[in-house]
Amino acid sequence: QVQLQESGPGLVKPSETLSLTCTVSGGSINNYFWTWIRQPPGKGLEWIGFIYSSGSTNYNPSLKSRVTISVDTSKNQFSLKLNSVTTTDTAVYYCARYSSPPYFLDYWGQGTVVTVSS
Amino acid sequence: QSALTQPRSVSGSPGQSVTISCTGTSSDVGGYNYVSWYQQHPGKAPKLMIYDVGKRPSGVPDRFSGSKSANTASLTISGLQAEDEADYYCYSYGVSNYWLFGGGTKLTVL
Repeated sequence: QVQLQESGPGLVKPSETLSLTCTVSGGSINNYFWTWIRQPPGKGLEWIGFIYSSGSTNYNPSLKSRVTISVDTSKNQFSLKLNSVTTTDTAVYYCARYSSPPYFLDYWGQGTVVTVSS
Repeated sequence: QSALTQPRSVSGSPGQSVTISCTGTSSDVGGYNYVSWYQQHPGKAPKLMIYDVGKRPSGVPDRFSGSKSANTASLTISGLQAEDEADYYCYSYGVSNYWLFGGGTKLTVL
């Protein structure tokens, strides 16, 4: 059974960079698409972007200028960096796996809360 | 790209049926059969309920069904049960290799 686990700081200061890692266990990160999704308090889900195990990416246009998603296949991990954060970036951040072919999300992490505050 | 449009809330009594709509454009919902639906209980990660418009993953009750007409996809839950009370989100592939969520619908079982 594939499992995903998000990790990273739960508190980030405004203007700094939010960094999270998703560790995949129970299966290989290779040959799949992976994604980050966030959910501000009391609001809906927002797609941040995806990465393929080869490293190709695509991002939500509204976040594209601030987002980088990377993959480390040797560690079975992929990561999210979001720079110049503001309080509006406070959210639960989820990592998830796309099915193969990649048309829906079949495995999710439990989510991690990130608060942007000074 | 804007979020897909869902009703903010729907409700129904146990045993009844409810339908949640998800409206996009010809560049996303209408252009591809890659709409999926997710159920989210408070404090939990979303759970896949429907994929490829109308297919059910193993373990999801057949009370859940999906369909699509033009730019609008729909999730129907028949024989409502108390445990169906949750938030529901649609998700669609869009042209230029992006993905969109709906704004979410809160289902209340009366």
